[in-house]
Amino acid sequence: KNEVEQSPQNLTAQEGEFITINCSYSVGISALHWLQQHPGGGIVSLFMLSSGKKKHGRLIATINIQEKHSSLHITASHPRDSAVYICAVRIYNTDKLIFGTGTRLQVFP
Amino acid sequence: ETGVTQTPRHLVMGMTNKKSLKCEQHLGHNAMYWYKQSAKKPLELMFVYNFKEQTENNSVPSRFSPECPNSSHLFLHLHTLQPEDSALYLCASSQDLGRGGLYNEQFFGPGTRLTVL
Repeated sequence: KNEVEQSPQNLTAQEGEFITINCSYSVGISALHWLQQHPGGGIVSLFMLSSGKKKHGRLIATINIQEKHSSLHITASHPRDSAVYICAVRIYNTDKLIFGTGTRLQVFP
Repeated sequence: ETGVTQTPRHLVMGMTNKKSLKCEQHLGHNAMYWYKQSAKKPLELMFVYNFKEQTENNSVPSRFSPECPNSSHLFLHLHTLQPEDSALYLCASSQDLGRGGLYNEQFFGPGTRLTVL
């Protein structure tokens, strides 16, 4: 079992829908990242957080350290949001990052 | 433009070849990373360099040899690879390792898609 689990693995949505992607982890962490990977491989860092909630445009990321769980929300989804969303955690007191397998999102017009 | 460039973007090599992947960052960062992304597998951190010193080697086989001559450049030297090494190899950089708390935001290059025949 991977130490970082994401759900769902695949997600389809209609344009305008509210989307939630979940990440659960089983190790002690110092930070959690949400990344976006477009077809072709390019990766963009969306959020890095260790507590609470962050918002950037239509994207919101939350983390609950006690429950070892994070969510990524997309409001008013758009076809250009179609990508793979990856959760990664930094193991506490190390430089090691562990990645989830990603959630493939497709938003249709 | 991400500020992190990788060359070549695509590479096909035989198992007996020796090749190198290059990564360059123009962001003034001090930490650089190599990642491997195989089909249907999570990203795997391979190596971490901070101020040119290697701080993490994630049990990577010796047929992968990293080199960091300065904070702006990172190489991955490849020799006697296996077909299962075919993957997307991604380089990233961050200001530093952020050990005081948050892990500093990483900026990724576009990757080199490697095929080993």
